[in-house]
Amino acid sequence: RKEVEQDPGPFNVPEGATVAFNCTYSNSASQSFFWYRQDCRKEPKLLMSVYSSGNEDGRFTAQLNRASQYISLLIRDSKLSDSATYLCVVTTSYDKVIFGPGTSLSVIP
Amino acid sequence: GAVVSQHPSRVICKSGTSVKIECRSLDFQATTMFWYRQFPKKSLMLMATSNEGSKATYEQGVEKDKFLINHASLTLSTLTVTSAHPEDSSFYICSAEPGTSEPGELFFGEGSRLTVL
Repeated sequence: RKEVEQDPGPFNVPEGATVAFNCTYSNSASQSFFWYRQDCRKEPKLLMSVYSSGNEDGRFTAQLNRASQYISLLIRDSKLSDSATYLCVVTTSYDKVIFGPGTSLSVIP
Repeated sequence: GAVVSQHPSRVICKSGTSVKIECRSLDFQATTMFWYRQFPKKSLMLMATSNEGSKATYEQGVEKDKFLINHASLTLSTLTVTSAHPEDSSFYICSAEPGTSEPGELFFGEGSRLTVL
């Protein structure tokens, strides 16, 4: 089983739609969780950290469920500019950073 | 946020030559930098962890004699692809963690696209 798994997609959604991405991780001792965004042929950029209490940043909401070893990212009111690959990132107890394979999102006019 | 600069952004070379890629942290000191490789439509694969003043730590399956890493200062790490072959063509990205950030909060260079003919 891979350490971090994501639905590869692609997710094709119309503008204004709400879309949710899921991510699961296998190491129960994982400590920190993040969502990164990567545009085509560009470097990844940190989108947001994920906390147990959940956190929201504008149209983006991230949730962590430690019991189920599950992370989610919800995007509301999708914009064309949200089209990208979203990478789930997990750090282990010894600070190793593990990237998920990414989920591709295309927002369609 | 913190700035990491990578150079060159694109390089084309002949098979058998060596290519050096530089990764600089512009506004912070980085005792540790990371080098990744990314194939089309795939996620980042960690190649090695670059440690200032000491040898790099390579991931399993990555040839240390093929991918030479030097981290001579707190703001510069270099990756040299030696005797490059077409299968080395890829997108190479570096990242660094500012000391004030938490593990996993990475800042990436712009990436270097290597094409070996």
